[in-house]
Amino acid sequence: DAGVIQSPRHEVTEMGQEVTLRCKLISGHNSLFWYRQTMMRGLELLIYFNNNVPIDDSGMPEDRFSAKMPNASFSTLKIQPSEPRDSAVYFCASSLAGPISTEQFFGPGTRLTVL
Amino acid sequence: AQSVTQLDSHVSVSEGTPVLLRCNYSSSYSPSLFWYVQHPNKGLQLLLKYTSAATLVKGINGFEAEFKKSETSFHLTKPSAHMSDAAEYFCVVSLPSNFGNEKLTFGTGTRLTIIP
Repeated sequence: DAGVIQSPRHEVTEMGQEVTLRCKLISGHNSLFWYRQTMMRGLELLIYFNNNVPIDDSGMPEDRFSAKMPNASFSTLKIQPSEPRDSAVYFCASSLAGPISTEQFFGPGTRLTVL
Repeated sequence: AQSVTQLDSHVSVSEGTPVLLRCNYSSSYSPSLFWYVQHPNKGLQLLLKYTSAATLVKGINGFEAEFKKSETSFHLTKPSAHMSDAAEYFCVVSLPSNFGNEKLTFGTGTRLTIIP
């Protein structure tokens, strides 16, 4: 298995532009987590899905952020409009939820720079 | 509520000497605890996991951690450091959800430097 796949790996954009980050889950997994990592705040959970349904989005910073799972294996995190303070590394992770929980497998991350 | 405190932001050890990375936790429930490692410009990898079975947990690459409820600690150790251990280490506590997976709360991380 290729593991969790994220694209792009690096994104540089200007303030006000729309940014879309993409994540492909590990085959067979049914839970998807989006995290943001910054020097100031460390690793924060933004949102997570179970079987394509958003379960907890309390970590989403504001309405400029939105996340979707159009199908069982793919997710997008969109920022519109982007701001310099959104600069961070964004990770997605997948796991197989069930009676016995398993570890979360992390993707390599997308480094976002908003100028 | 749950949280973890990593007591050292940066630890330096010489190659071949023991490693100790400290973590204290706070949780209203019987916690699951994890250590993840992040190498530069990489994602996070699970080192080991405690889920109320044996209190001494062995992980990958020779790391282990001991759960001590009386001290609310979950320190990570390795007998002999290797250059490849240089990375950022995160102590993590989980709150089980109703859906069988776990919502993770990360510590602030400890950067481990290995001196040749």
